[in-house]
Amino acid sequence: EAGVAQSPRYKIIEKRQSVAFWCNPISGHATLYWYQQILGQGPKLLIQFQNNGVVDDSQLPKDRFSAERLKGVDSTLKIQPAKLEDSAVYLCASTSLDGEQFFGPGTRLTVL
Amino acid sequence: GQQLNQSPQSMFIQEGEDVSMNCTSSSIFNTWLWYKQDPGEGPVLLIALYKAGELTSNGRLTAQFGITRKDSFLNISASIPSDVGIYFCAGQDMNRDDKIIFGKGTRLHILP
Repeated sequence: EAGVAQSPRYKIIEKRQSVAFWCNPISGHATLYWYQQILGQGPKLLIQFQNNGVVDDSQLPKDRFSAERLKGVDSTLKIQPAKLEDSAVYLCASTSLDGEQFFGPGTRLTVL
Repeated sequence: GQQLNQSPQSMFIQEGEDVSMNCTSSSIFNTWLWYKQDPGEGPVLLIALYKAGELTSNGRLTAQFGITRKDSFLNISASIPSDVGIYFCAGQDMNRDDKIIFGKGTRLHILP
């Protein structure tokens, strides 16, 4: 069974630029999450989708971050414009029917 | 908001030694989870605990869900080089859309 796919794996941008990350969850997983993991910290939930609907986006900085999952399968996370403090690994995860969460390898973002 | 305190922050041990790390919370969780993260990868679930007092093993790993539901520990017996990595505890609250809160991680180093 293929795992959670994410791309790109690495991205370097300058502050005030825009960036987008893509995630394809494990086939059949209805719930999809985006996490932000700053160096030396645990993952912090940004947004949770159930199919194509948002369940929780309370920690998403909505002035600059947006996410969508239009067809209830893959998802994109966008940052516009990026700030230095957005440098982090962005992890996507999806959940199986029994509730186990599977993480992708992440996208490491560096904002210069 | 809910916070998890994970300790120790890092550990240096000799191969073959046993390891113990723990996590405490300011509030109650319904589920405790322990993950391991290798460099450049997303966290992988090691053990899930669902009931207060539950003691669960996975090979050389043993974890317990504290009676108060506010703490958990993870033990690794007879450590081997591939145990190197970052271990995260996480609490999941079924009353809050299964939101998972992660600790800051324990970085395990094994000396040759």
